[in-house]
Amino acid sequence: ETGVTQTPRHLVMGMTNKKSLKCEQHLGHNAMYWYKQSAKKPLELMFVYNFKEQTENNSVPSRFSPECPNSSHLFLHLHTLQPEDSALYLCASSQFAGYYGYTFGSGTRLTVV
Amino acid sequence: TQLLEQSPQFLSIQEGENLTVYCNSSSVFSSLQWYRQEPGEGPVLLVTVVTGGEVKKLKRLTFQFGDARKDSSLHITAAQPGDTGLYLCPRYNTDKLIFGTGTRLQVFP
Repeated sequence: ETGVTQTPRHLVMGMTNKKSLKCEQHLGHNAMYWYKQSAKKPLELMFVYNFKEQTENNSVPSRFSPECPNSSHLFLHLHTLQPEDSALYLCASSQFAGYYGYTFGSGTRLTVV
Repeated sequence: TQLLEQSPQFLSIQEGENLTVYCNSSSVFSSLQWYRQEPGEGPVLLVTVVTGGEVKKLKRLTFQFGDARKDSSLHITAAQPGDTGLYLCPRYNTDKLIFGTGTRLQVFP
C-alpha cells in the first residue's frame, strides 16, 4: 500500500470504447499528476493538478480527458484510443509542489486492441 | 532547461558486488530525488537530497549530493537480487518531475 491507489490495475479496451482510470490518495497532498510510461521509454508527464485546478497539459491528445473533483481524487477518461496508447498509466501525488518527492500509485496497465 | 544525465544506462552484476550510479547536470539543482521502479509498478521514492555535500544512507544504499549541487551519486554495497530495478533521478522543474531513461540494474544470484 503506497498511499496512492489506482484502479483498475489492468484494462483491455477496444478502440471504440470509453473507460476511466481512477486515482485516490488520502495523504493530504494538494497536487496530483498523470504520467504515461510506454515500453522501454521514460515516464512522460501528461497532466498536473494543484488544488483541483489543472496547471499543466503536456500537449496530450483530446482522447485523454482528466478530471479532478477534489484534492483526493483524479480520473483519466479515455475514449477512441489507438493501439499506440497502450502503456502503464501512473498517478502520483505530492505536497509542497513535489519538492520533497512524489508518491506514485502502482499504475494501470492499459492495452488497446 | 536543466539537462540531467544518468549513467550508466544498463548495469548487470553478480550478487555481492558494489556499484555506483551517477546523475550529472551542468546546472545547479535546489534538490534532487532518487527513485527505484520495479517492472509493472510505480516508482518509489528512495531519498531527497537538498544540501550541497549531503550524504544520506538507506541500509546498503548511500546517496551523495555534490558540493556544487550539480551532481549526485548512488552507491550500493553488496548488491542483492532485490536491488534489481530501474533507478531514476528526475529533474525537478517548478512543480513537476521530468524523468529520463534512468539506470536499469540487474543483480544476478
